[in-house]
Amino acid sequence: AQSVAQPEDQVNVAEGNPLTVKCTYSVSGNPYLFWYVQYPNRGLQFLLKYITGDNLVKGSYGFEAEFNKSQTSFHLKKPSALVSDSALYFCAVRDRSFQKLVFGTGTRLLVSP
Amino acid sequence: KAGVTQTPRYLIKTRGQQVTLSCSPISGHRSVSWYQQTPGQGLQFLFEYFSETQRNKGNFPGRFSGRQFSNSRSEMNVSTLELGDSALYLCASSDGTGASYEQYFGPGTRLTVT
Repeated sequence: AQSVAQPEDQVNVAEGNPLTVKCTYSVSGNPYLFWYVQYPNRGLQFLLKYITGDNLVKGSYGFEAEFNKSQTSFHLKKPSALVSDSALYFCAVRDRSFQKLVFGTGTRLLVSP
Repeated sequence: KAGVTQTPRYLIKTRGQQVTLSCSPISGHRSVSWYQQTPGQGLQFLFEYFSETQRNKGNFPGRFSGRQFSNSRSEMNVSTLELGDSALYLCASSDGTGASYEQYFGPGTRLTVT
């Protein structure tokens, strides 16, 4: 069965510093990987996805993610964090035959001024 | 395009009652998925409907059911409510034609069971 792990419940970073939110996955075959962000009292917003090809995926709001097949990881990154990036971030995976999208437990990102 | 809409946004029910939540997907999207979000369990998949047929189902009891109409709007029903059903229920739509599609989420319905 496919699964996703987000090992950090919370990540703290100062504004202007680079940020990384970690995600590892387990799936049969090649995965489809996604990052979503949730702001308070809102639904999830799609940030980016990896399907195939270039291991570095660029998404919305300056975020990017690096797919590493050997480490089965898909870490979310941003070169310079903003206070407004503070939110709950979810990694998700779907294998290429099973349609269900499986989410990680989420990582709360807190960017301090 | 208008986004995914969910009604109602907030709901308070009593144990033992039943509730129906509604979701209108983005125009043209044929897939609707439902999720339950709680602080303790995170995001849990309930079920997915595609062209009026249930395509996938999560591990929830039979008290949780859903359906999809010909216009792709979907409803979720929870019968015999329990305190543990208090959660944010999220609906997501997509064009659903391939496994690489992303989902677009509505704002959710916050259900409180007392």
